[in-house]
Amino acid sequence: KQEVTQIPAALSVPEGENLVLNCSFTDSAIYNLQWFRQDPGKGLTSLLLIQSSQREQTSGRLNASLDKSSGRSTLYIAASQPGDSATYLCAVPPFYGNNRLAFGKGNQVVVIP
Amino acid sequence: SAVISQKPSRDICQRGTSLTIQCQVDSQVTMMFWYRQQPGQSLTLIATANQGSEATYESGFVIDKFPISRPNLTFSTLTVSNMSPEDSSIYLCSVGDREPYEQYFGPGTRLTVT
Repeated sequence: KQEVTQIPAALSVPEGENLVLNCSFTDSAIYNLQWFRQDPGKGLTSLLLIQSSQREQTSGRLNASLDKSSGRSTLYIAASQPGDSATYLCAVPPFYGNNRLAFGKGNQVVVIP
Repeated sequence: SAVISQKPSRDICQRGTSLTIQCQVDSQVTMMFWYRQQPGQSLTLIATANQGSEATYESGFVIDKFPISRPNLTFSTLTVSNMSPEDSSIYLCSVGDREPYEQYFGPGTRLTVT
């Protein structure tokens, strides 16, 4: 059974600092890995999807890397802003890609103005 | 991408009653998924809803408690039956069945059972 762990569980940073969020998974036979953002009491917004053949994916200030062999992904957020305050979740489906996602518990981020 | 709406956005219900949550997608999809997020926890998959067949439930979830309908390729409902305070959660539907299988979520339904 795939297990996903996210470290740190919570962090606070001053505005302008870079954020580094870590995700690890136990079964490296993954189809892709997806990073989401969740605001309190809200649904999930897809940020980045990395396919198993890729090593990284970028969107604006966000960059996600994937190391399948070691079972790790890292989400980097450059020059953090107060609007980046949210919980960030990583999720992994089975290799056959039917999207029964296994989620980590999230990285709860607060960016201090 | 897909745009997903859910109704209601939130509700407060009495113990022992049932609530039906609706999920509407702006495009036809084969699979729809229902997740639960209990307070302070991450998401747990309840079931996969395929059009034209019975839903597939994950371990720990049963059809009598969480009946699901999938009448067409853009719509699904999840009913939370005979509710107890432990059912207080955010319920989310999602879709994502086209390569590269990026998954999209609805805004969620926040349920409080008193």
